[in-house]
Amino acid sequence: TQLLEQSPQFLSIQEGENLTVYCNSSSVFSSLQWYRQEPGEGPVLLVTVVTGGEVKKLKRLTFQFGDARKDSSLHITAAQTGDTGLYLCAGAGNNNDMRFGAGTRLTVKP
Amino acid sequence: GAGVSQSPRYKVAKRGQDVALRCDPISGHVSLFWYQQALGQGPEFLTYFQNEAQLDKSGLPSDRFFAERPEGSVSTLKIQRTQQEDSAVYLCASSLYGAGGRFLGGELFFGEGSRLTVL
Repeated sequence: TQLLEQSPQFLSIQEGENLTVYCNSSSVFSSLQWYRQEPGEGPVLLVTVVTGGEVKKLKRLTFQFGDARKDSSLHITAAQTGDTGLYLCAGAGNNNDMRFGAGTRLTVKP
Repeated sequence: GAGVSQSPRYKVAKRGQDVALRCDPISGHVSLFWYQQALGQGPEFLTYFQNEAQLDKSGLPSDRFFAERPEGSVSTLKIQRTQQEDSAVYLCASSLYGAGGRFLGGELFFGEGSRLTVL
């Protein structure tokens, strides 16, 4: 059971477009992470957000943590073909687990 | 080693066979996680170790699944009497953070996974 709901599940856009993907939960998390996974590889950390309302920028990627620490968004500006991949959010719970959402599969076409 | 290493990368098993999947975490990492990832899905939590102690095994789907980390380093995930629904990629991740019986958050470093196919 995925406690983190990610949307959209699939997203296909043209190079140069902007996009936003979402991660929502009914649970409060002490921290929330975003990972990117490419085929045949394990997920790789992009960012960790800790404080409610926090905004972090990583080049063309902007991450926001909701005020109530239950949701997060990832915005990509001027997408590139190299941004193609599976974007996963993960939340640290209280029971020694790190739960992942089902992911948003992004395809950026040239 | 430089990263998390998993073996074998690919395993084909006949239904009913036992399999063992190995994970070599990053040296010195306290926390170790196992995840199961079905095609097109996100990783599903299986179990968590802090050093040699298995602190959470709530995600193991049945008593056919067993994990150990006897010396607080290498871990093995064993699946007995494999079924077709066990077919998935099994990911191992390690993290430097963990103390007092709790995972304290922080970056997870993943291996490339072991793809298990049960025929």
